[in-house]
Amino acid sequence: GEDVEQSLFLSVREGDSSVINCTYTDSSSTYLYWYKQEPGAGLQLLTYIFSNMDMKQDQRLTVLLNKKDKHLSLRIADTQTGDSAIYFCAESYNTDKLIFGTGTRLQVFP
Amino acid sequence: GAVVSQHPSRVICKSGTSVKIECRSLDFQATTMFWYRQFPKQSLMLMATSNEGSKATYEQGVEKDKFLINHASLTLSTLTVTSAHPEDSSFYICSAATRTDLNEKLFFGSGTQLSVL
Repeated sequence: GEDVEQSLFLSVREGDSSVINCTYTDSSSTYLYWYKQEPGAGLQLLTYIFSNMDMKQDQRLTVLLNKKDKHLSLRIADTQTGDSAIYFCAESYNTDKLIFGTGTRLQVFP
Repeated sequence: GAVVSQHPSRVICKSGTSVKIECRSLDFQATTMFWYRQFPKQSLMLMATSNEGSKATYEQGVEKDKFLINHASLTLSTLTVTSAHPEDSSFYICSAATRTDLNEKLFFGSGTQLSVL
């Protein structure tokens, strides 16, 4: 079955770059997403990438996709304290049904 | 951008009672809505997919008689947790799908924290 995994925790200093990693098993995934969840809140779509792309950049966010290794990463440049949250990667195959990763808690300290 | 309103944001109830959670798309018509459940420190798990005017499709392991989903209109879906028990305590999130460009494809509600005493 489909499985999406992430490391549980990441701690970075303010101003540094953060890299959150995600691995998935479903090679038929068409879209891959990154969502941000702040405490007690719903999910906010940060960015997404089509499976035929290798990289996508959106302001401070850079998504890298290695389809061969089924590895997805999210890089946040110049990480700020407001970036502290849980980040979920998710995959889907031509549907709206998302399979979420386990979530990575990003802690930014001054 | 599109907004999904989820209500209530927090509910505390006694064991054995039923709780209804509403999910509304405020400025768009959502033909499909999804209900997720999140346990503490765990990922989101899809519970069911609901399409307007038809029965919901439940994921494996989700009791449809326990979690009643109604999608009566293009802007409203409800999840009713029937005869709630402490193990039903969780964070429930709905999402609504549009059919526009991918970047605005899926919108999430702000979630409902259910605590069953």
